[in-house]
Amino acid sequence: EAQVTQNPRYLITVTGKKLTVTCSQNMNHEYMSWYRQDPGLGLRQIYYSMNVEVTDKGDVPEGYKVSRKEKRNFPLILESPSPNQTSLYFCASRFRTVPNTEAFFGQGTRLTVV
Amino acid sequence: GENVEQHPSTLSVQEGDSAVIKCTYSDSASNYFPWYKQELGKRPQLIIDIRSNVGEKKDQRIAVTLNKTAKHFSLHITETQPEDSAVYFCAAPGDSSYKLIFGSGTRLLVRP
Repeated sequence: EAQVTQNPRYLITVTGKKLTVTCSQNMNHEYMSWYRQDPGLGLRQIYYSMNVEVTDKGDVPEGYKVSRKEKRNFPLILESPSPNQTSLYFCASRFRTVPNTEAFFGQGTRLTVV
Repeated sequence: GENVEQHPSTLSVQEGDSAVIKCTYSDSASNYFPWYKQELGKRPQLIIDIRSNVGEKKDQRIAVTLNKTAKHFSLHITETQPEDSAVYFCAAPGDSSYKLIFGSGTRLLVRP
């Protein structure tokens, strides 16, 4: 089954404790991205990757890091989480070389930083 | 860069009535306009999309219209049902064809 898998689904952590949210897709998509969803603000892009070893900042990259060592995986790293990073996070993937195709989302990770 | 505005932010309709959600975009070169539905506690999923070479597309009770001159596109849901209650997002391509810029979302409530 074609899917994007995120883990964990829920995470409560303390300020400053490094964490990683994993994302994996099995559709051979070149393009992967991370979004955060906050009430009234829609889906804002944090980082994206056009292919292996190619990443770039989205609209709200401060406080986040990513890596793309393999095509299927695109982890989101919070080196020193702060309460303003409490949010619902989604990973998404789609083809880069095939235009106008569907973006597939992971199940979401609800992060609370206290 | 591309900017996508979506209205209204919330919409409440009686079951059986129609619902319309509107989005405007800024980049006249944009040529692909998807709509995503996000049910409570779930991920956004594509429900319909339209490409710039057509003005309207229908799929059962859902339709999307596109006005390229005015740079806006709309989602129409007819004969609404309680299971249509969800958050709906429109999107348009960013500065590259594979990047999507999302609207701020519309929370649709269908009252039984």
